[in-house]
Amino acid sequence: EPEVTQTPSHQVTQMGQEVILRCVPISNHLYFYWYRQILGQKVEFLVSFYNNEISEKSEIFDDQFSVERPDGSNFTLKIRSTKLEDSAMYFCASTTGANNSPLHFGNGTRLTVT
Amino acid sequence: GQNIDQPTEMTATEGAIVQINCTYQTSGFNGLFWYQQHAGEAPTFLSYNVLDGLEEKGRFSSFLSRSKGYSYLLLKELQMKDSASYLCAVKTGGSYIPTFGRGTSLIVHP
Repeated sequence: EPEVTQTPSHQVTQMGQEVILRCVPISNHLYFYWYRQILGQKVEFLVSFYNNEISEKSEIFDDQFSVERPDGSNFTLKIRSTKLEDSAMYFCASTTGANNSPLHFGNGTRLTVT
Repeated sequence: GQNIDQPTEMTATEGAIVQINCTYQTSGFNGLFWYQQHAGEAPTFLSYNVLDGLEEKGRFSSFLSRSKGYSYLLLKELQMKDSASYLCAVKTGGSYIPTFGRGTSLIVHP
């Protein structure tokens, strides 16, 4: 069964540094998402991406965040200047876009900001 | 705004049946998903409801009442491996973005 892949699985960075989290969505999916989950808390929506542009974003997704689809397969999340509170598990997900199509999540990148 | 409520934690015995409830108050409704999440892992899809009634899939069933803003996930013949968090996620009217509840941590003991 095709799956969403994310790299790296764990990223440690210092406060103020830039990080790029990478994802390869399922190949025939059209909608891509980033969610995050702070330890012990709920899964929170960050941004969705369709047809090479952001289609929705949450209040969390401020100017420090950006997304890009640099080629036909990769989908990246960049955090420009990391803060301690950015420490979380970041999940990439994709769907076909059909109403009943569930989110297919990658295994996540655990980001630790020190 | 949106509000999705689930119990924080439940415990049950191996072999038993457990029902995990989810209530929601949202602006419009466009479908409800249940996901399972083991500690440190990604959520995995269990079920989808958009019309009232029961959807059955093996040991797992999910029920929806749109008029009551209520869903439940029913797990039968519990196994130790069912110990996990169960996440209710709602798509509101006009959006295809699922919003997640805080999840219910289910502990299955022998």
